[in-house]
Amino acid sequence: EVQLVESGGGLVQPGGSLRLSCAASGFNFRNSEMNWVRQAPGKGLEWLSFISGSGSAMYYADSVKGRFTISRDNAKNSLFLHMNSLSAEDTAIYYCVRDETFYSDSSAYLVFDYWGQGALVTVSS
Amino acid sequence: DIQMTQSPSSLSASVGDRVTITCRASQTISRNLNWYQHKPGKAPKLLIYAASSLQSGVPSRFSGSGSGTDFTLTISSLQPEDFATYYCQQSYSMPLFTFGPGTKVDIK
Repeated sequence: EVQLVESGGGLVQPGGSLRLSCAASGFNFRNSEMNWVRQAPGKGLEWLSFISGSGSAMYYADSVKGRFTISRDNAKNSLFLHMNSLSAEDTAIYYCVRDETFYSDSSAYLVFDYWGQGALVTVSS
Repeated sequence: DIQMTQSPSSLSASVGDRVTITCRASQTISRNLNWYQHKPGKAPKLLIYAASSLQSGVPSRFSGSGSGTDFTLTISSLQPEDFATYYCQQSYSMPLFTFGPGTKVDIK
């Protein structure tokens, strides 16, 4: 059974830093692309960051570029999100998400097929 | 960047109603469009991928259509467990994914 379990959330002061972790199990983690997605209170889902299976390619949404860093430890089946310069706008539930290639009519499509339950990050003084 | 819009932003419906949600992309995304269902306190769930392919285990009352820039999610007969927020997502510009703003479906 695929499981993604986030940890590391909590209360942090504005301008502070936090590191989220995601423990993965039940699938070949090193071969899987991973993402972070968040949902702020009363807002919709926002994709934040992607990392390739090897960890050699990373991409970020403009809202977090330069402040957040995605990384992974394939030996420990773990995904991380290092968050710096946090502000109240970063208050959200953060989800660890696997993306996978599905096929339809012989064409390949990327989907977010497994999600963690989320970690709450609150930025407040 | 590809922007996604959804309409309506919310709707009230009764059990048994047919519900249609629209998603529009700011540029063509072919059929690279997924739909997710999200309930409070739960992880989002994949419903439809490639615009119209039903994810395994998802009830057949859910269907998707469209290509290019305009897409639709239809629930043929709304059930009590379907009250949730629905999001479209484009994967055309992967790995720069974009979600729509969501459509909240609640009980009339």
